[in-house]
Amino acid sequence: KNEVEQSPQNLTAQEGEFITINCSYSVGISALHWLQQHPGGGIVSLFMLSSGKKKHGRLIATINIQEKHSSLHITASHPRDSAVYICAVTSYSGGGADGLTFGKGTHLIIQP
Amino acid sequence: DTGVSQNPRHKITKRGQNVTFRCDPISEHNRLYWYRQTLGQGPEFLTYFQNEAQLEKSRLLSDRFSAERPKGSFSTLEIQRTEQGDSAMYLCATHRQGGLETQYFGPGTRLLVL
Repeated sequence: KNEVEQSPQNLTAQEGEFITINCSYSVGISALHWLQQHPGGGIVSLFMLSSGKKKHGRLIATINIQEKHSSLHITASHPRDSAVYICAVTSYSGGGADGLTFGKGTHLIIQP
Repeated sequence: DTGVSQNPRHKITKRGQNVTFRCDPISEHNRLYWYRQTLGQGPEFLTYFQNEAQLEKSRLLSDRFSAERPKGSFSTLEIQRTEQGDSAMYLCATHRQGGLETQYFGPGTRLLVL
């Protein structure tokens, strides 16, 4: 069983829909990261959080430390949001101080 | 552009050849990580440096892999006697030790071993 599990693996939605991607983890963490990866490979950090909730534009990330669960929400989704969204955690089992352990990613497609 | 650069962006090689990748971090970032990502999977940790010291290596890093960061700035990852299973995206990420910020990723080097 992976230490970081994401769901769903694939998600196709219509433009304007509210999107939720879930992440569960099984290890002790100091932080959880949401990352975005576009075709071509480049990874961009969206959020780093250790408690509560963060918002940036149409993106919202929440974390529940007790339940070891995080969600990434996208409001008013747009085709340019189409990408792979990756959940990662910072734990000492991830290799090196602050090394990341990654989920497999959620492939999101927003259709016009 | 995150400020982290990697070269080359793409590399095609024949099985058995040696390849070397380079990562140039953001200048004030003293921690540098190498990750490998195969198709359809999330990245996996390979190794990391704090300044010029290589502090940890994953068991994924066989003896054919070697990484250096000679002056605590850029880093190289070399794969000797490449195998088809080495085909993957190799990602570099950097950040400041103790910083409250996340890691900054380079664009990656996509390796194809024929």
